[in-house]
Amino acid sequence: DAGVTQSPTHLIKTRGQQVTLRCSPKSGHDTVSWYQQALGQGPQFIFQYYEEEERQRGNFPDRFSGHQFPNYSSELNVNALLLGDSALYLCASSFARGITGELFFGEGSRLTVL
Amino acid sequence: AQKVTQAQTEISVVEKEDVTLDCVYETRDTTYYLFWYKQPPSGELVFLIRRNSFDEQNEISGRYSWNFQKSTSSFNFTITASQVVDSAVYFCALSEWANAGKSTFGDGTTLTVKP
Repeated sequence: DAGVTQSPTHLIKTRGQQVTLRCSPKSGHDTVSWYQQALGQGPQFIFQYYEEEERQRGNFPDRFSGHQFPNYSSELNVNALLLGDSALYLCASSFARGITGELFFGEGSRLTVL
Repeated sequence: AQKVTQAQTEISVVEKEDVTLDCVYETRDTTYYLFWYKQPPSGELVFLIRRNSFDEQNEISGRYSWNFQKSTSSFNFTITASQVVDSAVYFCALSEWANAGKSTFGDGTTLTVKP
């Protein structure tokens, strides 16, 4: 049973570019939550997708957007990249928005913006 | 708004010592979840424990134990007889009862266990 998978694992972009990160949730999970983890800090909630819609959003600008597909996989898009967007981006999956309290994380996509 | 504070940024112990990682949280919710995660250098957050707000029983799992005190809004984590493999960053987190997917994390405690 595959857990949460994310791609790519590492990528380097330059300021102003756009990036797309991908996440496949754990089998049986229908909710995907995205987190940004800057170096030396805890993960911060970006947004959550459930039933192909954004259900909750953290304190992130509109440059951060996402999508959820019918197979529950999800994409995180960041436009007009800034140096401060350099971070580990974590995807977490759960069932029904985590109502059972179970949350599984992927290994993350490490983004470096030069 | 929810908040999690892990006052200890770094802790260093010698193997076989016991170590306690502190976590204090703030929330206006009456029901919620509390979590501890371990993050090795690979980056993946490894789930260690989940507690719901109405279950204040302490829990022990092997060398790990957790002390949840609602009166002081604390959820501390103790590793008994620490091992080098315990070296990692440990995060405490808090979520809404109906949405564990939206969790608030502390800034983590880096634990180094020296041989």
